[in-house]
Amino acid sequence: QVTLRESGPALVKSTHTLTLTCTFSGFSLSATGMCVSWIRQPPGKALEWLARIDWEDDKYYNTSLKTRLTISKGTSKNQVVLTMTNMDPVDTATYYCARIWGIGGSFDFWGQGTMVTVSS
Amino acid sequence: SSVLTQPPSVSVAPGQTARITCGGNNIGSKSVHWYQQKPGQAPVVVVYDDSDRPSGIPERFSGSHSGDTATLTISRVEAGDEADYYCQVWDFISDHPVFGGGTKLTVL
Repeated sequence: QVTLRESGPALVKSTHTLTLTCTFSGFSLSATGMCVSWIRQPPGKALEWLARIDWEDDKYYNTSLKTRLTISKGTSKNQVVLTMTNMDPVDTATYYCARIWGIGGSFDFWGQGTMVTVSS
Repeated sequence: SSVLTQPPSVSVAPGQTARITCGGNNIGSKSVHWYQQKPGQAPVVVVYDDSDRPSGIPERFSGSHSGDTATLTISRVEAGDEADYYCQVWDFISDHPVFGGGTKLTVL
């Protein structure tokens, strides 16, 4: 059974750094083709892909946010961590982690999301 | 990078057929995935690779391609189908996924 769960602060101050953790089970990030991505959704708005880490530890970022994002494997082999620097109120959103198995494939499993509010 | 255009809203009566489009340059050459998102919930894939359905998704959900437009078709629409729907493709030039702006399906 594949599950993903996001964790992190619900409230972050403007200019501070956000750190989110995705804890997953039911699959191995070392399996060929396996990837975990972060996706966010501001209230009432569309989904926006942020970053991806794959089975070879390669990392990819949304071009417009690249300078602020870092994705990495956590200290536990079943965790992926996203940091976003210099947070702004426009970054207020629900942040999801999701799995893709195979580049070009769909996000077949998602976490329930974690709402992050950035205060000015 | 790819830009995917969806109508903001589609309305349909129960029992009728809903069609949600996703337009994009050269979308015909890409695999299109569709997600359903109900209020307060994470998205769920309902169609992947243009026209395949994950297990547990009713046959009423189908996907198709024609030219620069992909279409999600929901037959015999039920009240429980009311949700936001997003299309998604993989942009191999920038090497990242792209989502459409979403379509709110209202069941009248």
